Amino acid sequence: QVQLQESGPGLVKPSQTLSLTCAVSGESINRDTYYWTWVRQPAGKGLEWIGRIYTSESTSYNPSLKSRVTISLDRSKNQFSLKMTSVTAADTAVYYCARASGLDTGGPFVYFDHWGQGTLVTVSS
Amino acid sequence: QSALTQPASVSESPGQSITVSCTGTSSDVGAFDYVSWYQQLPGKAPKLIIYDVNKRPSGLSNRFSGSKSGTTASLTISGLQAEDEADYYCTSYTTSNTWVFGGGTKLTVL
Repeated sequence: QVQLQESGPGLVKPSQTLSLTCAVSGESINRDTYYWTWVRQPAGKGLEWIGRIYTSESTSYNPSLKSRVTISLDRSKNQFSLKMTSVTAADTAVYYCARASGLDTGGPFVYFDHWGQGTLVTVSS
Repeated sequence: QSALTQPASVSESPGQSITVSCTGTSSDVGAFDYVSWYQQLPGKAPKLIIYDVNKRPSGLSNRFSGSKSGTTASLTISGLQAEDEADYYCTSYTTSNTWVFGGGTKLTVL
């Protein structure tokens, strides 16, 4: 059974870099049949897609966050990571990692079938 | 990319049916049959309930169904139960190879 688990600091100072990891179990991130993604949700607000990475290390990011976001793979630990620079209070949110799958193993991988439980990141001095 | 448009809230009595709309553009909802819907209970992660417009994950109740016409997708929940009370989000894959979410709809079962 696929499981995803986010981890990282719960408090980040303004202007610093937010760093989170998502540990994946029950599936290899090297499989070419999924995207690995990040989604966030400010308290009381809706979901916002942040970005995704493929096993080839190709990435795609939300245009509104692209200049500040990097997603990478760590194959040795079967996990992927999110880095967001120059954070402000507006980046305070619950951050989820999720797996994107598709009806066909060749893609596209367009729906999020497995999610982590989420981790709250607060940006404050 | 702009968020998809969903009603902020909907309410109905147990046993009745509701439909939640999700309106996008020709670059997202209207471009592909790649709309999915998620149920989010308070304090929990979202859960996939509909994918590719109208497909249900294995084991999910057939009280949940999806459809699409043009740039508007819809989620219908029939035979409402108290346990259906949650937030519901639509999302669509886009022509830019990104995703866009709806603002979410809070369902209240009266």
